[in-house]
Amino acid sequence: QSVLTQPPSVSGAPGQNVTISCTGSSSDIGAGYDVHWYQHLPGTAPKLLIFGNTDRPSGVPDRFSGSKSGTSASLAITGLQVEDEADYYCQSYDNSLSGFNWMFGGGTKLTVL
Amino acid sequence: EVQLVESGGGLVKPGGSLGLSCAASGFTFTNARMSWVRQAPGKGLEWVGRIESKTDGGTTDYAAPVKGRFTISRDDSQNTLYLQMNSLKTEDTAVYYCTTVNDYYDRNGNYYYPQPFDYWGQGTLVTVSP
Repeated sequence: QSVLTQPPSVSGAPGQNVTISCTGSSSDIGAGYDVHWYQHLPGTAPKLLIFGNTDRPSGVPDRFSGSKSGTSASLAITGLQVEDEADYYCQSYDNSLSGFNWMFGGGTKLTVL
Repeated sequence: EVQLVESGGGLVKPGGSLGLSCAASGFTFTNARMSWVRQAPGKGLEWVGRIESKTDGGTTDYAAPVKGRFTISRDDSQNTLYLQMNSLKTEDTAVYYCTTVNDYYDRNGNYYYPQPFDYWGQGTLVTVSP
């Protein structure tokens, strides 16, 4: 079970803006660990979308932006396009469990209506 | 261009073993930290384990559900990453992805932690079923 909580689904019409939240706690995001975001179209390789909370890898459109505050992070997508329909995952680290704990949020399915 | 190509997936019975490979190209594999991530049918992404470069000690770490059953290794002469899976359970059924895990830095030169999974292969399906 993920300790990073994402809404199971969000939706928006083409051209609209959406935000996907990633809620953690004082042992993960709130402890200062960085957050990364991935886009995953079924049947394809996941793609790094945002790293270091706010940075975009080369080639990722600036319609995608990330933020982090306190125990949460968010991915914002402006000017939705049909090809943005995918699953989105946040990733961080949890220090409350024994061992080494890289972890993902449960994922959010974005539907572009 | 970074390329990661997984192979070795298939059908195996519970309690059985299976080995996966990931052929890497387009970057200096010897210096790379690598990881395996999986996705069970209808579920989200789950980190499986990682291996550091030999220069950094070749350390391995594993997620709790696979610790003691899975082993990650590497052959730098062949640019290949491996995942040996023993005592397989039905809940290990998933697509297994090989990823690179590089260091990224902020404007002050501090590296982000945890590191992101920056390049991914297409995955290979492992099905554990009686």
